[in-house]
Amino acid sequence: DTAVSQTPKYLVTQMGNDKSIKCEQNLGHDTMYWYKQDSKKFLKIMFSYNNKELIINETVPNRFSPKSPDKAHLNLHINSLELGDSAVYFCASSQQQDALQETQYFGPGTRLLVL
Amino acid sequence: AQRVTQPEKLLSVFKGAPVELKCNYSYSGSPELFWYVQYSRQRLQLLLRHISRESIKGFTADLNKGETSFHLKKPFAQEEDSAMYYCALSPISGGYNKLIFGAGTRLAVHP
Repeated sequence: DTAVSQTPKYLVTQMGNDKSIKCEQNLGHDTMYWYKQDSKKFLKIMFSYNNKELIINETVPNRFSPKSPDKAHLNLHINSLELGDSAVYFCASSQQQDALQETQYFGPGTRLLVL
Repeated sequence: AQRVTQPEKLLSVFKGAPVELKCNYSYSGSPELFWYVQYSRQRLQLLLRHISRESIKGFTADLNKGETSFHLKKPFAQEEDSAMYYCALSPISGGYNKLIFGAGTRLAVHP
C-alpha cells in the first residue's frame, strides 16, 4: 500500500513532556513536509526537507525539531510541550522536479492533545 | 504578503444546486494554485490544480489573475461532495514548493 503514514494517530500527554511523531513515505519522493492544523482547521506549513536537508523552516519555536534519517522518513520531536501545541499535525511528501510545484500527498494526521 | 482567503467557513446547499467555493489570493508573482479536499475520516488529497485545467468529479476552477481569484465550481452538487475544501497557493521560488492554505470551507450538501 503506497502512501504517507504517520504514528501515532492520537497522542495525549501532559504539559512539559517531550514527544515524537513519526512519518514515513514509500512513494519514492524527495521532499517531505510537516503542517500544523489548529482548532479552527487552519493548515500552516512548519518544515520541509529535501533529501534529508532542511529547506523550509517557518519560524517554528526551537522546541520543535524535525529529523530526517533518510529521505523516506521525517520525524517531528517536540520538547516541553505547551497547551498551544494541541493540534493535528500532518506529514506530506512530494517529488521535487526542477521548479515545478508538484502535488503533495498527505498522511492521515496525528491528533496531539496537551493537558 | 502571501495569503489565501476563503471567506466562507460553511457553505450549505441542496443536492443538485450549483456550488461555488470562493478563493482569493495575495501574491506578487504568478503562483500555482490548488484545491485540496478532505472527506470525512479521510486524508487531505488534491482535487485539482490550475495548471492541469482539468475537471475532477465535476469540479472546475479558473484562475482569474485580474481578480486574484481561483473559485471552485460545480454545476450540480452531490451529497458525496460534502467535505472540507482548502484552496492553496504555492509560490514559485527557489525551486522548492510549500503550500499556503486558506482557512478552508466546509461544504454540506443536503438531500
